[in-house]
Order: sequence, then C-alpha cells, then structure tokens
Amino acid sequence: NAGVTQTPKFQVLKTGQSMTLQCAQDMNHEYMSWYRQDPGMGLRLIHYSVGAGITDQGEVPNGYNVSRSTTEDFPLRLLSAAPSQTSVYFCASSNPGSRAFFGQGTRLTVV
Amino acid sequence: AQSVTQLGSHVSVSEGALVLLRCNYSSSVPPYLFWYVQYPNQGLQLLLKYTSAATLVKGINGFEAEFKKSETSFHLTKPSAHMSDAAEYFCAVSEGRDDKIIFGKGTRLHILP
Repeated sequence: NAGVTQTPKFQVLKTGQSMTLQCAQDMNHEYMSWYRQDPGMGLRLIHYSVGAGITDQGEVPNGYNVSRSTTEDFPLRLLSAAPSQTSVYFCASSNPGSRAFFGQGTRLTVV
Repeated sequence: AQSVTQLGSHVSVSEGALVLLRCNYSSSVPPYLFWYVQYPNQGLQLLLKYTSAATLVKGINGFEAEFKKSETSFHLTKPSAHMSDAAEYFCAVSEGRDDKIIFGKGTRLHILP
C-alpha cells in the first residue's frame, strides 16, 4: 500500500499564481485533512473532510479551497498565492478515533 | 473546541536521563490523545495513542504516556534518553466524532552527550 501520497514535494510560486496540491490515500479512510507547518506554530489545520462530498474549515482556511469528490482524493487549491503561504503542507487521512497517516509533505515557497 | 498546550518549545536532556515532555489538553468530550514524532525533513510518525482504554499507554522506541483526567494531561516520558531521540514531538487531541485532530505547537527535544 502507498498510504498517503502528496505531490509535488517541492514547489516555488510567484505571488498571485494559483496551484493545486494533490493528496491521495489508498486506505479507504473516511477522514482527510490538510495542515500547514510553520516554525514555532506546530501543525495548524487548514481544511478537513469527513467523507466524500463533505468539507469543513479548520483553524486557518483563508486563501485555500478544497473539495472531496472521491474517498481517495483531497486536493488543496491556492487561489492566489501570497508570501504568507510559504510553508510545509501535510495531508493526513484516518478513520474515526484512529491514528492519522501523514504524507511526506510539500514544501511551498511563494516569492 | 479542543486544544492542546505543550509546555516548553525546547527541552534538553543528557543522554541516559529521563525524558519528560508535557502536554495539557482541553476537550468537551472524552478525548483521543496522540503523540507524534517528526525527525528532520520527514513527515510525522505516531508514537502512541490513548483511546479510553488503559490510562498508561506504551508506544514505540521506549516511550510511554499517562492520561490523567483530573489534570487534563498526557505527558510523554522515556526512562533513558538516547541520541536518536532528538526530534520534534507533537501532542494532538481529537474529539472523535468528526475526527478533527488538533496539534500542539511542538517540543524540540535535544539530547546532550
């Protein structure tokens, strides 16, 4: 099993550009989440989904969109990148009350 | 809403000494609690989890944590630190029903030779 796969691993964007971070899981997990990790801030929840067709905002949703059309995929869209979105992004999946499985992360730099 | 507080953004211990990383949580329902470890330039790995069974939870690499409801704490311990334990450690809480997992800000553990 691949687990949770995130692509790309690295990305540099110019301010104002848009892009989509991809996340796929093959464990048939109901829940998927996106976090960003910044020094001294831990992991902050951006958006999460409790199942296909259902999404909700986390702690820091502004500037990001998500959709969950299938159980497997949970892409994160940056509509108009800003330098404040420079971060490491992690996707995670889990079943209720169980541990989360994390992808290897996407290091995004916005210049 | 659930939240997690980790006391100390950096903790230094000597090799062979006791490791104690502190975590306090708030939750409106009996929580699920987790400790994760992150080595440099890597993703997160689960060390252990508490899901309302035994209050003393044993994890990988000799770590364990004790759930204390009266203190709303879930501190992580290891009797004898090893150089390979140097990493960042995150405590996390979930209320289970919608499985949002909220993380603390992390504690970076330094091991002194």
